[in-house]
Amino acid sequence: GESVGLHLPTLSVQEGDNSIINCAYSNSASDYFIWYKQESGKGPQFIIDIRSNMDKRQGQRVTVLLNKTVKHLSLQIAATQPGDSAVYFCAENDSSYKLIFGSGTRLLVRP
Amino acid sequence: EAQVTQNPRYLITVTGKKLTVTCSQNMNHEYMSWYRQDPGLGLRQIYYSMNVEVTDKGDVPEGYKVSRKEKRNFPLILESPSPNQTSLYFCASRYNTGELFFGEGSRLTVL
Repeated sequence: GESVGLHLPTLSVQEGDNSIINCAYSNSASDYFIWYKQESGKGPQFIIDIRSNMDKRQGQRVTVLLNKTVKHLSLQIAATQPGDSAVYFCAENDSSYKLIFGSGTRLLVRP
Repeated sequence: EAQVTQNPRYLITVTGKKLTVTCSQNMNHEYMSWYRQDPGLGLRQIYYSMNVEVTDKGDVPEGYKVSRKEKRNFPLILESPSPNQTSLYFCASRYNTGELFFGEGSRLTVL
């Protein structure tokens, strides 16, 4: 079946460095993608989204890149801070109402 | 404040004792959904609802029931809980497209 996956289960970065979290998706019909952040003991929080008619979208310190050719999605966090430590999920949505989540990547920020 | 509220946040129960986890949203969202989150398995959809009186099965509906009598509420019912339903449960809502807003989670332990 169609699925969303992540390349790296755990990413450790130095405080102040940039982080890149990757995600592969397999449903070529997916037209909407979201990144969520989940801190320990909390529900997932929306970070940024992107539609398939775009290849890049920027937020505050975050950038999402979409490469439809290779079905790849990435989340870039600039100047990573301790508060960025969390599990990050990508999710995809096709024309149905179902959102399919990846298994998550844990980001650890070293002081 | 826009939010999804679920209760209880923590519950320990015994096999076979019926329980209900409530979920309420104040954003007038049409779509509501329940997920369970287990280590290594990510977020899996249990049931979802497109609108009042419209519900449908997700990926793992066995052992669960839901109802959508009012737009704001979407309770999750475990008629006869079993230990394999020990999990972290999230309720979420959104307009029919776009980002999902998640509750803070309900950690259920079935002994």
